[in-house]
Amino acid sequence: EPEVTQTPSHQVTQMGQEVILRCVPISNHLYFYWYRQILGQKVEFLVSFYNNEISEKSEIFDDQFSVERPDGSNFTLKIRSTKLEDSAMYFCASSVPGLQDTGELFFGEGSRLTVL
Amino acid sequence: LAKTTQPISMDSYEGQEVNITCSHNNIATNDYITWYQQFPSQGPRFIIQGYKTKVTNEVASLFIPADRKSSTLSLPRVSLSDTAVYYCLVGEDGNKLVFGAGTILRVKS
Repeated sequence: EPEVTQTPSHQVTQMGQEVILRCVPISNHLYFYWYRQILGQKVEFLVSFYNNEISEKSEIFDDQFSVERPDGSNFTLKIRSTKLEDSAMYFCASSVPGLQDTGELFFGEGSRLTVL
Repeated sequence: LAKTTQPISMDSYEGQEVNITCSHNNIATNDYITWYQQFPSQGPRFIIQGYKTKVTNEVASLFIPADRKSSTLSLPRVSLSDTAVYYCLVGEDGNKLVFGAGTILRVKS
């Protein structure tokens, strides 16, 4: 069964360092997302991406965050200068035609980011 | 985006049927009702989606009354591995899903 894959599974970094989280969405999917979940809290939307541009972003997704689809398969989330409060599990997700049709997002296993 | 209300937590025993009800009084005419499951340290996983009446798949059933102001996710004969957080989502906000707090289901032996 096709799946969304994420790397690394866990990254530890120092405050102020740049971090890049990588995702390989399911190959025929067109919409890509990043969500995050701080320990013990709910899953929060960060950004959605379609047709090589951001289609929507949340208040959390400030200038420290950026996304990119550098080639035909990878989808990356970059945090330029990490803060302690960026410590969370980051989930990549993808969907086929968009949620209005199926409501089904396929999530990866997540990348746990720990900022010290 | 329809506001949803579901219990914070539920406890059950192995082999029992579990029903988790979600209320969504301001559901819009074209909103679908979708349930996701999340195990600890994993991404949410789609379980089932419905619009009205009853939908069943290999994992669960979804019951939606005629007024669509609530829905019930039914898990038959739960096992310890069904311990997870279950999210009820109604409609989409733009082209994204918005997750609430969900229901923590604990299955005991």
